Amino acid sequence: EAGVVQSPRYKIIEKKQPVAFWCNPISGHNTLYWYLQNLGQGPELLIRYENEEAVDDSQLPKDRFSAERLKGVDSTLKIQPAELGDSAVYLCASSLNGGTGELFFGEGSRLTVL
Amino acid sequence: SQQGEEDPQALSIQEGENATMNCSYKTSINNLQWYRQNSGRGLVHLILIRSNEREKHSGRLRVTLDTSKKSSSLLITASRAADTASYFCATYNFNKFYFGSGTKLNVKP
Repeated sequence: EAGVVQSPRYKIIEKKQPVAFWCNPISGHNTLYWYLQNLGQGPELLIRYENEEAVDDSQLPKDRFSAERLKGVDSTLKIQPAELGDSAVYLCASSLNGGTGELFFGEGSRLTVL
Repeated sequence: SQQGEEDPQALSIQEGENATMNCSYKTSINNLQWYRQNSGRGLVHLILIRSNEREKHSGRLRVTLDTSKKSSSLLITASRAADTASYFCATYNFNKFYFGSGTKLNVKP
């Protein structure tokens, strides 16, 4: 069974440029999460989807970040415009039963903003 | 803010020794989970312990949970060089996971 797939693995952009990350969760997993991980820190939730619905986006900086999960499967996280402080790893995770079980993480997308 | 906090922040041991790391949290939980992250990779789930459980084993891993002290510990017995990684505890409550800042374990061959 394929795991959570993320792309790109690495992205280097100039500040003020846009960037997008894509995530394909494990087949059948209805819950999808985007996390931000700064160097030496644990993941911090940006947004959680139950199927197509964003049920928790309270930590998503909505002035520059947006996300979508069309058809309740793949998801895209976008930053526009990127700032220097956005340099981090963006992790996607999925789970089957919405939070009482384990999270399955992708390998992450490492963003460097110059 | 993150609810779980691991201790120590870093741990260096020789292969074959046991490694113990601790996690403290602030509010009530539904369950607590431990994850491993190798450098440059995603997190991998290791073990889950529910709030009504006190101890759980999985292979060389032993997890304890003390809800009265709001703390958990992860013991890795007979460590191997391949156990070198960062270890995170994650508490689950109110439909959210809260991750600590992790313990960085280095197992020297």
